[in-house]
Amino acid sequence: DAKTTQPNSMESNEEEPVHLPCNHSTISGTDYIHWYRQLPSQGPEYVIHGLTSNVNNRMASLAIAEDRKSSTLILHRATLRDAAVYYCNLLPGQNFVFGPGTRLSVLP
Amino acid sequence: DVKVTQSSRYLVKRTGEKVFLECVQDMDHENMFWYRQDPGLGLRLIYFSYDVKMKEKGDIPEGYSVSREKKERFSLILESASTNQTSMYLCASRRNEAFFGQGTRLTVV
Repeated sequence: DAKTTQPNSMESNEEEPVHLPCNHSTISGTDYIHWYRQLPSQGPEYVIHGLTSNVNNRMASLAIAEDRKSSTLILHRATLRDAAVYYCNLLPGQNFVFGPGTRLSVLP
Repeated sequence: DVKVTQSSRYLVKRTGEKVFLECVQDMDHENMFWYRQDPGLGLRLIYFSYDVKMKEKGDIPEGYSVSREKKERFSLILESASTNQTSMYLCASRRNEAFFGQGTRLTVV
């Protein structure tokens, strides 16, 4: 099964951009790259997903490497509310199994 | 705007009891999932289902079973609850992006 690796933790200052990396070197051609985040005491929530092209939505941007072996979730201006654990998943390849994710801390 | 509903937010059960955790989604999704989440262990997949009456084991199915009699409902069953099943249980459904319930914090005493 394809696997993703992410840094355990990252830190950002409020109102600065944040780039959260994810490596997925064994991704298959049919796998979509999904990002979810989990705020404290809540269930995970969908952030963004993509296949090959970069994607933007109201929450974030997703930059996908040309070879698709890595991707980066971009929060353009971090707020305190963005402090959460961010998960990168491959679907259907990972069968919706979650790794430990990246814990993002946002400093005021 | 509720999309995935778990029947209880908090639940306390006794060791040996049969426990049902219910999950209902209103988005007509085929795929539904049950996870448990424990400090330091992250989200672990217990069971999932790709269609009515279909079920697949996840990473930690031991001590659990599931039921999917209707498309919108996916039930997690603890046949004989034990204290090591005290945990936060999360249900999800997806077609493309996934939606999660708010979780059920189960305590087995």
